[in-house]
Amino acid sequence: NAGVTQTPKFQVLKTGQSMTLQCAQDMNHEYMSWYRQDPGMGLRLIHYSVGAGITDQGEVPNGYNVSRSTTEDFPLRLLSAAPSQTSVYFCASRPPTGNTEAFFGQGTRLTVV
Amino acid sequence: GQQVMQIPQYQHVQEGEDFTTYCNSSTTLSNIQWYKQRPGGHPVFLIQLVKSGEVKKQKRLTFQFGEAKKNSSLHITATQTTDVGTYFCAGTKFSGYSTLTFGKGTMLLVSP
Repeated sequence: NAGVTQTPKFQVLKTGQSMTLQCAQDMNHEYMSWYRQDPGMGLRLIHYSVGAGITDQGEVPNGYNVSRSTTEDFPLRLLSAAPSQTSVYFCASRPPTGNTEAFFGQGTRLTVV
Repeated sequence: GQQVMQIPQYQHVQEGEDFTTYCNSSTTLSNIQWYKQRPGGHPVFLIQLVKSGEVKKQKRLTFQFGEAKKNSSLHITATQTTDVGTYFCAGTKFSGYSTLTFGKGTMLLVSP
């Protein structure tokens, strides 16, 4: 059982480039989220989804797009990368049984130069 | 919006000393969760507290949820070097599914 898998683990982008961070879970979890982690800022919610076809914005959504075409996958797209998007990105999933624990992926460390 | 404050931001202790981190919410919470993140790792769930005044223990770790369900604490007795990491609290606002709002975390360093 792989849990939550994120790819890539590391990425360097030039300003203005676009890319997609991949997230997949094999636990049949309905709820999936993307967070970014910056020093001293904790985990901030970017976008989340409560099921296939449903997404919503979190605390810091600007510059990011998401889609949820299947239960398993929840990709995060950076439309035009900026240095302010240099961060560690975590994907998390939760079972659809109320407020239960979140399972995190290993993270993607993104640097925008 | 909902805010979750966590203090201290950083603490350095000698092995064997106790450690406590505190979490305060600007609004009443439905439940609160605690996570641990080792250096270079990802957050890992430790525990969830749901009831007002609830206290739970995991070996040397004691978790409390305040009577008003607006604050929580994590206390580690006799720290070990394996306790090194950042501890996050995360609250949910509603009893049904709602998003997790994380505190900024407390980084714990333990010297042998």
